[in-house]
Amino acid sequence: SQKIEQNSEALNIQEGKTATLTCNYTNYSPAYLQWYRQDPGRGPVFLLLIRENEKEKRKERLKVTFDTTLKQSLFHITASQPADSATYLCALGRESSASKIIFGSGTRLSIRP
Amino acid sequence: DTAVSQTPKYLVTQMGNDKSIKCEQNLGHDTMYWYKQDSKKFLKIMFSYNNKELIINETVPNRFSPKSPDKAHLNLHINSLELGDSAVYFCATASRKSNEQYFGPGTRLTVT
Repeated sequence: SQKIEQNSEALNIQEGKTATLTCNYTNYSPAYLQWYRQDPGRGPVFLLLIRENEKEKRKERLKVTFDTTLKQSLFHITASQPADSATYLCALGRESSASKIIFGSGTRLSIRP
Repeated sequence: DTAVSQTPKYLVTQMGNDKSIKCEQNLGHDTMYWYKQDSKKFLKIMFSYNNKELIINETVPNRFSPKSPDKAHLNLHINSLELGDSAVYFCATASRKSNEQYFGPGTRLTVT
């Protein structure tokens, strides 16, 4: 069956460092992968989408890589700030009319001052 | 002006009751979803509607019945509530042009 794993349930790093979160998947061939941010008591917020034919995507301090051979995506936050503390979810999807995406269980990131 | 809204935000009820959660979107998106997020934060799709038509129905007990009166609304009715139904329920939308999903604030359901 399809499986998505985010390697750490929680990650704590020092402010200013680069945070790197990992998303691995098995038994699935996604057309794209997304990353969302979720704060306590709120719904997930879309951050970035990367397609299967793209190796890397950037948005401000965020960078996402996608390796379909390794079946892995890395999500980087450079120059991390305490305000980046949140849970980050990866999600996989295929291009279809159903538009169904599958979410990982998330990594709770804490940036300490 | 909230893009995706849900009511109520909190719902506490007893086992066996029937309850509804409402979702409204003003983004003009074609597709709407209901997700369940359990205590371990795992977000699982339940239903998806596209232009008022049910297109995804994951293995969900038939006590759960979604209803889409129009493209801007997707409500979730739950019959005979059970303890295991306690979770946060999220409504979300997406457009055909983009695969981004926009989530509502969630409804925390507690069944006692």
